[in-house]
Amino acid sequence: KAGVTQTPRYLIKTRGQQVTLSCSPISGHRSVSWYQQTPGQGLQFLFEYFSETQRNKGNFPGRFSGRQFSNSRSEMNVSTLELGDSALYLCASSRSGSNTQYFGPGTRLTVL
Amino acid sequence: KNEVEQSPQNLTAQEGEFITINCSYSVGISALHWLQQHPGGGIVSLFMLSSGKKKHGRLIATINIQEKHSSLHITASHPRDSAVYICAVRSGETSGSRLTFGEGTQLTVNP
Repeated sequence: KAGVTQTPRYLIKTRGQQVTLSCSPISGHRSVSWYQQTPGQGLQFLFEYFSETQRNKGNFPGRFSGRQFSNSRSEMNVSTLELGDSALYLCASSRSGSNTQYFGPGTRLTVL
Repeated sequence: KNEVEQSPQNLTAQEGEFITINCSYSVGISALHWLQQHPGGGIVSLFMLSSGKKKHGRLIATINIQEKHSSLHITASHPRDSAVYICAVRSGETSGSRLTFGEGTQLTVNP
């Protein structure tokens, strides 16, 4: 069974642009969570989606948004990029009723 | 004060040594996770605990709910164990729970 995949793996943007990151969960997993990892703040929870609905959201500004499609694939969008948005963005999927999460390799975003 | 505190932040050991990483938390939790992150970013979930003790190979994880404390032990450490180990606690109900992470422990095992 294929693992969690994230595209793109690397991305360079400039301030003010917007970006969309994609996550494909393990087949059969309906929950997808997104995390941001920076050297200063460590890993932080962004949001979680289950069956196309956002179940939980972390303490991030409204510039960070996401969605989940009927095939459980998820996207996250960051608008009006700031230098501080440079980070590794990780997604993780899990089966219904399970708290065990399987992480993707991450997308490394650099904002110049 | 962070909700999840790990110690030590950095740990250097010689191959074969017994290693302990500690995690303390201050919130009510439904589960605690230990994660391993290798250079390059990939994260692997090692354990999920809600009580007691779990063992997988040379790795042992324990949790004391009353003390709000968990430990990750590595027996007979090996250079390939070198990684960042992250403690994360899950709070809230399954339908809407979230993970809060410790800052991680950078482990280096020298041959």
